Amino acid sequence: RKEVEQDPGPFNVPEGATVAFNCTYSNSASQSFFWYRQDCRKEPKLLMSVYSSGNEDGRFTAQLNRASQYISLLIRDSKLSDSATYLCVVNKGGGNKLVFGAGTILRVKS
Amino acid sequence: DTGVSQNPRHKITKRGQNVTFRCDPISEHNRLYWYRQTLGQGPEFLTYFQNEAQLEKSRLLSDRFSAERPKGSFSTLEIQRTEQGDSAMYLCASSLAYTGEAFFGQGTRLTVV
Repeated sequence: RKEVEQDPGPFNVPEGATVAFNCTYSNSASQSFFWYRQDCRKEPKLLMSVYSSGNEDGRFTAQLNRASQYISLLIRDSKLSDSATYLCVVNKGGGNKLVFGAGTILRVKS
Repeated sequence: DTGVSQNPRHKITKRGQNVTFRCDPISEHNRLYWYRQTLGQGPEFLTYFQNEAQLEKSRLLSDRFSAERPKGSFSTLEIQRTEQGDSAMYLCASSLAYTGEAFFGQGTRLTVV
């Protein structure tokens, strides 16, 4: 079983739609969680950290469910520019490595 | 530009040749990672350093791969006797220790022919 699993998609949505991605992780010792965004042929970039209480950044909301070991990302009012691959990332903490999921592809269409 | 810098950006090599890539991290970052990414997959962990110490190396990594960070600043990744399966994007990232906010370079795309 992979340490971090994501639905690869693609998710094809119209502009203005709300879309949600989930990610599950296998290591219960994981302490830190993130969503990264990767545009085609570009490097990954941090989108947002995921906190236990849930957090929001503009149109983006991230939530963590430790009991079920999953992380979610909600995007409201999708824009064409949101089209990218969204990577779920976990870290065991204590200075351990980042473990990436394979990514979920989002395509927002006009 | 004070971001993570990787050189070269592209490398085409013949099977069996050795290649070396360089990564210059953000200057104040003490953590440096190497990842490999192939089409349709997320970045796959290869190894990472804290300062000059190599803390972990992926068990998936063959002995043909070696990485160094001699002075705790830049790092090199060498692949010996390259194989076609080594063709991938090699990504370097840096961060401060104990955070997960890693900053990636633009990568080195390796093609083995």
